Amino acid sequence: DAGVIQSPRHEVTEMGQEVTLRCKPISGHNSLFWYRQTMMRGLELLIYFNNNVPIDDSGMPEDRFSAKMPNASFSTLKIQPSEPRDSAVYFCASSLMTSGETQYFGPGTRLLVL
Amino acid sequence: AQTVTQSQPEMSVQEAETVTLSCTYDTSESDYYLFWYKQPPSRQMILVIRQEAYKQQNATENRFSVNFQKAAKSFSLKISDSQLGDAAMYFCAYRRQGAQKLVFGQGTRLTINP
Repeated sequence: DAGVIQSPRHEVTEMGQEVTLRCKPISGHNSLFWYRQTMMRGLELLIYFNNNVPIDDSGMPEDRFSAKMPNASFSTLKIQPSEPRDSAVYFCASSLMTSGETQYFGPGTRLLVL
Repeated sequence: AQTVTQSQPEMSVQEAETVTLSCTYDTSESDYYLFWYKQPPSRQMILVIRQEAYKQQNATENRFSVNFQKAAKSFSLKISDSQLGDAAMYFCAYRRQGAQKLVFGQGTRLTINP
């Protein structure tokens, strides 16, 4: 079975540019999570969706970040405009919404903003 | 707020030996879930093992086992017969019953010496 799919795997961009990260969750999973990993702050939950609806976006750093989930098999995380401090690894994870279910992570997108 | 602490930034072990990674957490909840994730150089976050707080029996997955001490709020991971492929960052994570947010520790980098 295919796991969580993320694209691109690597992204290098210049400050001020728009960046869009993409995620395809595991088929049948109805919860989707976006995490960011940095050396300074570790792994942080940015936002998560249940049944395509954003539930908690309190981890989104600022208005430059936005996330959408137009359907059950696709989500995007957009940064506009990007800044060097946004450089990090961004993970998407999915799970069943049932309490206690394990979250399965994608391979991550390494973002470098110059 | 719940916190997860991994007090060992780095650990090393000889191949075929046993190593234990420590994790403590702070919560006022009685029902929750604990996880160990492995992150090899590929960056993929891989679930190693999970433990439900209501279960007294320690979880085991092949060479991986946990020592769950609920009263002490301790959740250590034991890796037996260490293999070179076990080299990775290991993250301990907590999730409250009924919640979906994972709270991660800072991670422990495990090196396997041949």
